[in-house]
Amino acid sequence: EAQVTQNPRYLITVTGKKLTVTCSQNMNHEYMSWYRQDPGLGLRQIYYSMNVEVTDKGDVPEGYKVSRKEKRNFPLILESPSPNQTSLYFCASSLEGITEAFFGQGTRLTVV
Amino acid sequence: GQNIDQPTEMTATEGAIVQINCTYQTSGFNGLFWYQQHAGEAPTFLSYNVLDGLEEKGRFSSFLSRSKGYSYLLLKELQMKDSASYLCAVSLYGNNRLAFGKGNQVVVIP
Repeated sequence: EAQVTQNPRYLITVTGKKLTVTCSQNMNHEYMSWYRQDPGLGLRQIYYSMNVEVTDKGDVPEGYKVSRKEKRNFPLILESPSPNQTSLYFCASSLEGITEAFFGQGTRLTVV
Repeated sequence: GQNIDQPTEMTATEGAIVQINCTYQTSGFNGLFWYQQHAGEAPTFLSYNVLDGLEEKGRFSSFLSRSKGYSYLLLKELQMKDSASYLCAVSLYGNNRLAFGKGNQVVVIP
């Protein structure tokens, strides 16, 4: 089954404790993105990647890092999480940037 | 910057027709997507328009006017399961990034 898988689905952590949210897709897509979704603000892009070893900042990249060492994986790293990073996070992939995006199930992160 | 506007919320009756509007002002344009998102779930693809005109797909239709920076999603024969947020997203020319509007919450009542 074609899918985008994120882990974990839910995470509560403390300020400053490094964490990684994993994202994997099995569709051989070149384009992958991370978004955060907050009430009243909609989906905002954090980082995107057009291919292996090619990543770039989206609209809200501060406090996040990504890597794309393999085509299927695109982890999101929070080196020192802060409470303002409490949000619902989605990973997405598409064959190209102008084709339909498939979203993961979401990760609800709470930083206390 | 990118500016994508959608109304916040609308209520409609089961069986009715509802039109969800989206206006955009962006630095470049590759096409416009509509996604549906149920509460707490991931967005799912509904339609894609790159040329002016109407695209019909079952109960859902989407319209685009590039010269006016305007699109709408038309939902016919509304069902209770159509209660969701509808997201308009523009694919930006150059890097193909997706810029989303804030979404329009549609509530379907019996």
